[in-house]
Amino acid sequence: DVKVTQSSRYLVKRTGEKVFLECVQDMDHENMFWYRQDPGLGLRLIYFSYDVKMKEKGDIPEGYSVSREKKERFSLILESASTNQTSMYLCASSLPPGQGLAKNIQYFGAGTRLSVL
Amino acid sequence: DQQVKQNSPSLSVQEGRISILNCDYTNSMFDYFLWYKKYPAEGPTFLISISSIKDKNEDGRFTVFLNKSAKHLSLHIVPSQPGDSAVYFCAASALFTQGAQKLVFGQGTRLTINP
Repeated sequence: DVKVTQSSRYLVKRTGEKVFLECVQDMDHENMFWYRQDPGLGLRLIYFSYDVKMKEKGDIPEGYSVSREKKERFSLILESASTNQTSMYLCASSLPPGQGLAKNIQYFGAGTRLSVL
Repeated sequence: DQQVKQNSPSLSVQEGRISILNCDYTNSMFDYFLWYKKYPAEGPTFLISISSIKDKNEDGRFTVFLNKSAKHLSLHIVPSQPGDSAVYFCAASALFTQGAQKLVFGQGTRLTINP
């Protein structure tokens, strides 16, 4: 079974703080993703990484950065947290290209609910 | 610009009856479609999927139908059980970058199964 682990389930931070959200996967997946989930908006892609130190912007990257120093670990960084970044953050991983239709399936962690006050 | 839409925010169904969740999409480049189920305080879990070259895929109580001409897919759950109460997300997959696939999600439908 694929396991994607997010280090914190709940976080409360103050406006302007630097926030780190950590994600680890144990299936040796090349691809890792960060999403945020907001009511009525579904899941929106923030950043994607396809290899160590490699990243691509998703649909809503503003105010966020990412770090991937090891294959199994993908971190989301809020450089200066703002109240509009209060949300549920979800990390996911998937197989690389060449894996047939299985490459389409993303496996999610349990999520981190972040509140910025 | 919502490329994948789930127009029903909520659905309530009697236990034992059929649940039908709907999803519409606008981008004809989507080549694979997935349904995820999400319980409160948990991440989404993959439920069932369908390739764009098929019009039906069945897995136990779950069947997904794809109508490409209408750009519409639906998830049928029969018979519905109380444990099916969750939020269901429809997602469409398209080639993104570096050969990876990107999932575009709908807004979700909260399904409640009543005893």
